[in-house]
Amino acid sequence: GAGVSQSPRYKVAKRGQDVALRCDPISGHVSLFWYQQALGQGPEFLTYFQNEAQLDKSGLPSDRFFAERPEGSVSTLKIQRTQQEDSAVYLCASSLNTGELFFGEGSRLTVL
Amino acid sequence: QKEVEQDPGPLSVPEGAIVSLNCTYSNSAFQYFMWYRQYSRKGPELLMYTYSSGNKEDGRFTAQVDKSSKYISLFIRDSQPSDSATYLCAMEGSSNYQLIWGAGTKLIIKP
Repeated sequence: GAGVSQSPRYKVAKRGQDVALRCDPISGHVSLFWYQQALGQGPEFLTYFQNEAQLDKSGLPSDRFFAERPEGSVSTLKIQRTQQEDSAVYLCASSLNTGELFFGEGSRLTVL
Repeated sequence: QKEVEQDPGPLSVPEGAIVSLNCTYSNSAFQYFMWYRQYSRKGPELLMYTYSSGNKEDGRFTAQVDKSSKYISLFIRDSQPSDSATYLCAMEGSSNYQLIWGAGTKLIIKP
């Protein structure tokens, strides 16, 4: 596809379960970002990759959150031992370098 | 206090009206200002991008930046029901990649 693809679109997890969210960026885009968006709020920065290098992970809320982009393309955001406060939409965005961000439709996580 | 403040709305106006959406910010170092539109259950998409102070026009949309007042605006002329969405302002912070976002204003255009 031509756009940023995220899966799953919806995920329901029981508290304490691990989840993995996948992002397939636009082909050739060097930069990849993960954001967390709570209901009625703007996106909050989580982490930033340039190719396979994770240059900034300052926004990850705790050490239960982990992101990787091993081959500089597809990225996975993993959340271990999910808590109710992790419920949010997780947005992935990519860009050619540091220009316009192109967002996916997001993965909506609900932790029960 | 948040770095970027935006009234969450909802703002409801009749079709054809001129809409004014606004954000205020506290950090005078911000240089790049963006407006994104987000439809329900979709990701944000870039509408307007402005550097420093001034106006920028694109079709029915005008973005305005007043750095002296730390205030930015988005105007929509001849509003359409398809403009109903949440409008988010964003600003480029101290890094050249990290955006600081407003909470978004939900806009409803009534036919």
